[in-house]
Amino acid sequence: DAKTTQPTSMDCAEGRAANLPCNHSTISGNEYVYWYRQIHSQGPQYIIHGLKNNETNEMASLIITEDRKSSTLILPHATLRDTAVYYCIVASSGGGADGLTFGKGTHLIIQP
Amino acid sequence: DAGVIQSPRHEVTEMGQEVTLRCKPISGHNSLFWYRQTMMRGLELLIYFNNNVPIDDSGMPEDRFSAKMPNASFSTLKIQPSEPRDSAVYFCASRSQQASGELFFGEGSRLTVL
Repeated sequence: DAKTTQPTSMDCAEGRAANLPCNHSTISGNEYVYWYRQIHSQGPQYIIHGLKNNETNEMASLIITEDRKSSTLILPHATLRDTAVYYCIVASSGGGADGLTFGKGTHLIIQP
Repeated sequence: DAGVIQSPRHEVTEMGQEVTLRCKPISGHNSLFWYRQTMMRGLELLIYFNNNVPIDDSGMPEDRFSAKMPNASFSTLKIQPSEPRDSAVYFCASRSQQASGELFFGEGSRLTVL
């Protein structure tokens, strides 16, 4: 799997949009960008994924640059419960069976 | 849906003892994954199964670790003999063949080996 680079930690004020960047300059054409988060003492939770188009769901939006070398996860109105470690992962899928390789992620802290 | 169910949630044992961790994947999911998480190494993929068949066990740290999936609704991860460095949180995850990569994780089993 391609490597990703994320900031170690970020702060965001409650109620504001949290923008989490991820660099994946070696991503290949058939690889997706996945985002998961892990709240303390819980298992990782899927957030969103995309190939090249921007994606939005009830949790977040994913913006992927045109060259696909970087992406940004946006939590539009952060709450204290969004404090977690956020993992950006690139992997081939489309129904493939391989497990995902997690890096160290970004520790997002939402400040009241 | 009950989600992925793991047991025990917490286990404390002494070095040299056998440890068995259990996982029940989400019904209908055909892929199952075992991960280990420590502060030093983060989340590591140990092994995964497709349709109950082990596909890749290259992440299993050594021969003391073994995993089985006797049927579609049950998997075990066994450590024998256990060592203090095996202390970690062990996560099980499952995925549907129809999904495009989304893994559903259990709450984990926290293992402490004294």
